[in-house]
Amino acid sequence: ETGVTQSPTHLIKTRGQQVTLRCSSQSGHNTVSWYQQALGQGPQFIFQYYREEENGRGNFPPRFSGLQFPNYSSELNVNALELDDSALYLCASSLGGGISGADTQYFGPGTRLTVL
Amino acid sequence: GNSVTQMEGPVTLSEEAFLTINCTYTATGYPSLFWYVQYPGEGLQLLLKATKADDKGSNKGFEATYRKETTSFHLEKGSVQVSDSAVYFCALRGAAGNKLTFGGGTRVLVKP
Repeated sequence: ETGVTQSPTHLIKTRGQQVTLRCSSQSGHNTVSWYQQALGQGPQFIFQYYREEENGRGNFPPRFSGLQFPNYSSELNVNALELDDSALYLCASSLGGGISGADTQYFGPGTRLTVL
Repeated sequence: GNSVTQMEGPVTLSEEAFLTINCTYTATGYPSLFWYVQYPGEGLQLLLKATKADDKGSNKGFEATYRKETTSFHLEKGSVQVSDSAVYFCALRGAAGNKLTFGGGTRVLVKP
């Protein structure tokens, strides 16, 4: 059984650029959640995808968007990057979602994004 | 809304000392509670969880009990090792929710 994987590991972008981060969920999981973790802080919920539909969103602007594919892998896209977007972006997969909420979430290693 | 408050670190201990990290929460209904651990340069690993009042989660010598009356989920370990040095996060998932709400994390440093 493979765990949650994310790519790339590290990324450096400049202000105004766009970035796409990728996540492969753990085998058998149909729900993916994305979190932003600024340095020295706890992760903040960005959004969740369940069966290819957005299933909840945190307090992030529309320039943060996502997709989930039929194999349940997911992408996080961030447009018009700002300096404050520099953070570790974590993906978590779980089984469940929908009305009843998601089961325990298992995290990937993260993508470290630096915006210059 | 939901919130989690953890004791601020860093917490510095000697090997074999007793560790307690306090965690309290605010939430409506009956949330599920979690402790995650983050080692340097890595993502979060689930350490333990509890889904209802009075449940005790345990793993790798760590324990935490879901106390609804005090809205707390304190993490304890009787004898820490150098390898326990990490950042520990308390988190909750609301009863009808899908997102995790995290505390700010507590850095623990165990010295030989």
